[in-house]
Amino acid sequence: DAGVTQSPTHLIKTRGQQVTLRCSPKSGHDTVSWYQQALGQGPQFIFQYYEEEERQRGNFPDRFSGHQFPNYSSELNVNALLLGDSALYLCASSLVAGSTYNEQFFGPGTRLTVL
Amino acid sequence: RKEVEQDPGPFNVPEGATVAFNCTYSNSASQSFFWYRQDCRKEPKLLMSVYSSGNEDGRFTAQLNRASQYISLLIRDSKLSDSATYLCVVTRDTDKLIFGTGTRLQVFP
Repeated sequence: DAGVTQSPTHLIKTRGQQVTLRCSPKSGHDTVSWYQQALGQGPQFIFQYYEEEERQRGNFPDRFSGHQFPNYSSELNVNALLLGDSALYLCASSLVAGSTYNEQFFGPGTRLTVL
Repeated sequence: RKEVEQDPGPFNVPEGATVAFNCTYSNSASQSFFWYRQDCRKEPKLLMSVYSSGNEDGRFTAQLNRASQYISLLIRDSKLSDSATYLCVVTRDTDKLIFGTGTRLQVFP
């Protein structure tokens, strides 16, 4: 049973560029959440996708956008990269469950460096 | 002020020691509570859920005090393999995880 996978593992970009990160959820999961983890900090929620729609969003600017495909995989896009966007980007998958929390399983992350 | 506060540490303890981590949360509407473990340059993994009645999993005991908005994690008989960052996590909405900064634990021989 494959867990959550993310690609690429590492990425180096320059300021102003755009980046796309990819995530495949754990088998059987239909919900994907994205988190940003800066060095020395805990992960911060970016947004969550379910049924190909953004279901919740954290306090991130519109430069951060996403997409979910019919096979439940997801992309995170960041436009006009800033130095402060350098971080580990984590994808987590789960089963949507209404008011009941279901465990989120994290992928290994994509480490983005913006120069 | 951060919604979930933790002492960042590091906590340096010898093998066999007992160590306790504390965490406070500011939003009384928080619904679910967890401890996650994160090894260096790896993804977070769920260690255990936290309930008001307290719960124990081997050497690990977690406790929630809703009145004080306080969460604790106790590790007994520390092992070298316990060295990691321990993240306190709460949820308000159904699935959005709110993480603390994490507390780093280093267990030495």
